[in-house]
Amino acid sequence: GENVEQHPSTLSVQEGDSAVIKCTYSDSASNYFPWYKQELGKRPQLIIDIRSNVGEKKDQRIAVTLNKTAKHFSLHITETQPEDSAVYFCAASISSGSRLTFGEGTQLTVNP
Amino acid sequence: GAGVSQTPSNKVTEKGKYVELRCDPISGHTALYWYRQSLGQGPEFLIYFQGTGAADDSGLPNDRFFAVRPEGSVSTLKIQRTERGDSAVYLCASSKGSADTQYFGPGTRLTVL
Repeated sequence: GENVEQHPSTLSVQEGDSAVIKCTYSDSASNYFPWYKQELGKRPQLIIDIRSNVGEKKDQRIAVTLNKTAKHFSLHITETQPEDSAVYFCAASISSGSRLTFGEGTQLTVNP
Repeated sequence: GAGVSQTPSNKVTEKGKYVELRCDPISGHTALYWYRQSLGQGPEFLIYFQGTGAADDSGLPNDRFFAVRPEGSVSTLKIQRTERGDSAVYLCASSKGSADTQYFGPGTRLTVL
């Protein structure tokens, strides 16, 4: 089955800096890659997703890049703010409607 | 509109007891998923419903776990003979169709003493 690895497990940045979180996946059939943000005790919330026919997608301060050949994808957050502090999870699936396989999460801390 | 809701928010039970966890998906969403999240880890897939039928139950850890969705809306996850290792947050998600974004509920925190 699919295996998703995520790193780093923790990331601390200064407000205004950029943050990058990287994930690799094992199943070459995967073609849908969402990113979820989870604040402590809250539900995971989708922040951005990308499908395999696209190499990059951007939404304001958040961007995701996908390299299908290398089977890795990354989340980029620019101009970080304290409210960006949370756990971020990457995931992969063979389609957006099937089971998601999640990474282990990255605890992002943005220091004021 | 209303998001995915789950009840109860917290459930404490004793080892060996039976529990039921409920999920109310977003109105009109035909696909429903159950995941389990242990502390410090990512959600782990349990089962996926398309309508009333289980399209993929390969994530259920053993036969103590069972889920139903009799009318294609609300779903119940049932755990028999609970064990301490079942303690986790059980998350439900729904999507509009079989190829759409999954939206998560707040989860039920299950503690087995």
